[in-house]
Amino acid sequence: DQQVKQNSPSLSVQEGRISILNCDYTNSMFDYFLWYKKYPAEGPTFLISISSIKDKNEDGRFTVFLNKSAKHLSLHIVPSQPGDSAVYFCAASGDSGGSNYKLTFGKGTLLTVNP
Amino acid sequence: NAGVMQNPRHLVRRRGQEARLRCSPMKGHSHVYWYRQLPEEGLKFMVYLQKENIIDESGMPKERFSAEFPKEGPSILRIQQVVRGDSAAYFCASSPGTSGSQFFGPGTRLTVL
Repeated sequence: DQQVKQNSPSLSVQEGRISILNCDYTNSMFDYFLWYKKYPAEGPTFLISISSIKDKNEDGRFTVFLNKSAKHLSLHIVPSQPGDSAVYFCAASGDSGGSNYKLTFGKGTLLTVNP
Repeated sequence: NAGVMQNPRHLVRRRGQEARLRCSPMKGHSHVYWYRQLPEEGLKFMVYLQKENIIDESGMPKERFSAEFPKEGPSILRIQQVVRGDSAAYFCASSPGTSGSQFFGPGTRLTVL
């Protein structure tokens, strides 16, 4: 049972435009959400996170939006740059008896930013 | 400040052999997590350890897999009698506490022949 779903395996955008990566979850106990970026042959790198008490968190070119009623979050990257090309993983936590240590990951979306 | 270190980066084993994967957390981090990524899949939680204690091993297969985080030295994920289905990328992460962000190492890619 996939509790965190990233339904788009890949996304291609032009440099300078906005990239929007989507993520849906089914477990209503999740209360903390993270986005990781991963290059080939490297480990995931933390990008940005959001707590369920917020609906938006912004850090530079990256903004994460959370819609709790729809159990949906999205990552916006603007403007997109070729160096942003990577696999992006959505992750969630909060269903471990109050501790946020167990991350549940989606399968990832491969973002390609074309020059 | 060095990040999470994992070695070896690549490990090849024949069926029935043992695999030992090592993880040194970031300086100041006492919480270690192991995840496994099968091809075309997301990362799956395996185990959470603090120094000398296994806190949560709910994601670990019941047989052949074990993990430890001794008082001194790196955390070790041990897979006995490996099978082809164990071929995957194994990632270690660490954090300073139980909540907040986890920082990942580069992973160990295990190939079982």
